[in-house]
Amino acid sequence: QSALTQPASVSGSPGQSITISCTGTISDIGGYNYVSWYQHHPAKVPKLIIYEVNNRPSGVSHRFSGSKSGNTASLTISGLQAEDDAHYYCSSYTSRNTLLFGGGTKVTVL
Amino acid sequence: EVQLLDSGGDLVQSGGSLRLSCVVSGFIFDSCAMSWVRQSPGKGLEWVSIISGGGGYTYYGDSVKGRFTISRDNSRNTLYLQMNNLRAEDTAMYYCAKSPTGYSDARKKTLKYYFDSWGQGTLVTVSS
Repeated sequence: QSALTQPASVSGSPGQSITISCTGTISDIGGYNYVSWYQHHPAKVPKLIIYEVNNRPSGVSHRFSGSKSGNTASLTISGLQAEDDAHYYCSSYTSRNTLLFGGGTKVTVL
Repeated sequence: EVQLLDSGGDLVQSGGSLRLSCVVSGFIFDSCAMSWVRQSPGKGLEWVSIISGGGGYTYYGDSVKGRFTISRDNSRNTLYLQMNNLRAEDTAMYYCAKSPTGYSDARKKTLKYYFDSWGQGTLVTVSS
């Protein structure tokens, strides 16, 4: 199975909003509402920021939001802050009872 | 406080074997599915395997199926990953990861394939 498709990089200025896309197929993103997003800073462990498409774990900023349309999921970061500079990974459950990650997107805060 | 302490990573020759362990505390271990996720140098995250809370259900990624075995000892609050026939492309940081309690779909007993806590990682290097 191929990884989900994410843009390699996205950038924005502080205060702006950015959106990261994550494209899969009907066998993963399109077939289930089991998309998650992780934030990963260097030398730290990944942090869950969105689960089941659009749910935020407690303690995660409201500036992070998720959505899905067809085979594509999206993560939007509003009011971009310096601490948002990190890698972001989407993931989706698949029809084969496996999990696919996206290739990752480096978000740069200018 | 939830804690996951993974260990067992080492330098091993191609074709060799290794067993990773992850000792957990701070939550009811047998109520949570557990996974292994890896990250090769300079690459993204790759899911390796998941096991249900009771240990009766296990699933694997295509790249490790038939070579790796996930297991757990709920009496010891420990998760394992037995890795056999290791290849250079298995070189990675391996993380154990915890799913929240319950099922994504209770009727179908679909496990929760997302992770709210992670170990600090243990490094596996396979030399060819």
